[in-house]
Order: sequence, then structure tokens, then C-alpha cells
Amino acid sequence: GESVGLHLPTLSVQEGDNSIINCAYSNSASDYFIWYKQESGKGPQFIIDIRSNMDKRQGQRVTVLLNKTVKHLSLQIAATQPGDSAVYFCAENMPSGTYKYIFGTGTRLKVLA
Amino acid sequence: DADVTQTPRNRITKTGKRIMLECSQTKGHDRMYWYRQDPGLGLRLIYYSFDVKDINKGEISDGYSVSRQAQAKFSLSLESAIPNQTALYFCATSDPGRRDGGEQFFGPGTRLTVL
Repeated sequence: GESVGLHLPTLSVQEGDNSIINCAYSNSASDYFIWYKQESGKGPQFIIDIRSNMDKRQGQRVTVLLNKTVKHLSLQIAATQPGDSAVYFCAENMPSGTYKYIFGTGTRLKVLA
Repeated sequence: DADVTQTPRNRITKTGKRIMLECSQTKGHDRMYWYRQDPGLGLRLIYYSFDVKDINKGEISDGYSVSRQAQAKFSLSLESAIPNQTALYFCATSDPGRRDGGEQFFGPGTRLTVL
């Protein structure tokens, strides 16, 4: 799985600090968004989702913010831990009724001890 | 036990060979998907199926075919593999009860190398 992340932007964060990962989505009509975490050698794993009628949603240690005006999503991770090291990417749901998604390329998060 | 499994996990093959990647799921979902992942690119949809009798092309279906043998099984075939099909391949499922498509559950991936 390492080869997937070779060309990705990297965010390095000190353990215990907060992390903010950003995503620009492409379609102003998209109405549902998901953040995924992908660890080396594994498939993507759901973290949190948000619908377009909301601008903020909180989970356990994670918060997603949605700014529809500028088509921007962010994922905030509180008190970042070594186990948070992974590639994170967003997905937007095309509102065509076909339930197809567009996936971002991702950001690699490195947690420094 | 994993909900979505893929076999094989790794495969090296030669140009021109026929390859089949298999996916099984125990989640009871009707919707299944095949994606490929390449360095620097987001996941791209190859094929998707909303039930056993429904097969649809995704954005990059050329050179691939699929078979939905049962609700739980969705196979991807490369009829004549070529080097630019070297990639990570993921199978995924989703819950048809969610209007917005809901979360997709991914398998662990198959790393395919075509020489």
C-alpha cells in the first residue's frame, strides 16, 4: 500500500497536536461527503460523513467541516495519535441517483513522536 | 472475520494473460463496486452492480469485465492483461437502504502487477 502514497501531499504533526486535512471537491451539486482513512496495505475505512444540509459534524476525536460556498471540506483530528498515521481522502456523492462517488487523491498524515 | 474479502491479495502476471479477481461479502449488501487505485490518483470506478441482474460500467471499464455470480460475489476479469493495468484493485459494497448511497465498505485490496 505504500506505493499509493508516494506522490501525495504530506502533513506532519506532533503527537498530541490537532491535525487539519483539507479537501476541495469538484461538483457544487454533490450532496453527501465521506472522509476515509487508508492505512498501508489496507482498504479505505470510513471515518465520518456529512450531508450538504449541514456545515459541521462531530465524531469521536474527529470533526468534519463543510463550506459549500468554496466547495471545501476539512477533517480535524484532535489529539493526534501514532495510530492516526495514514492516507486520508474525501469522497463526494454525485446527486445523479446512481450512487457513484468521486474520490480525492488524498493526504498522507505522519504523526511524529 | 472480514466483511469484504478479496482474492488473491497479490498477483504478478504477464502481458496477454487472463486474470480474475474475486470479491466476496458477508454484509448482505446488494450494491457492489470495483475500483482501481493508482499513485497520485483517486479511486476510479471500473464497474458497479446494484443486484445480481444489474451490471453497469464505470468511468474506466475498457479492458475489464465483471460477473455477479450471487448477491455475495462479484468478480473482475482482465481478458488480456496489459502493463498499464498494474494497480491496486478494491472491491466495495454499500447499503441500498440509504438514499444517498451511504458508506462504502472496502475489501483489503488486490495488488496486481502486469509485466
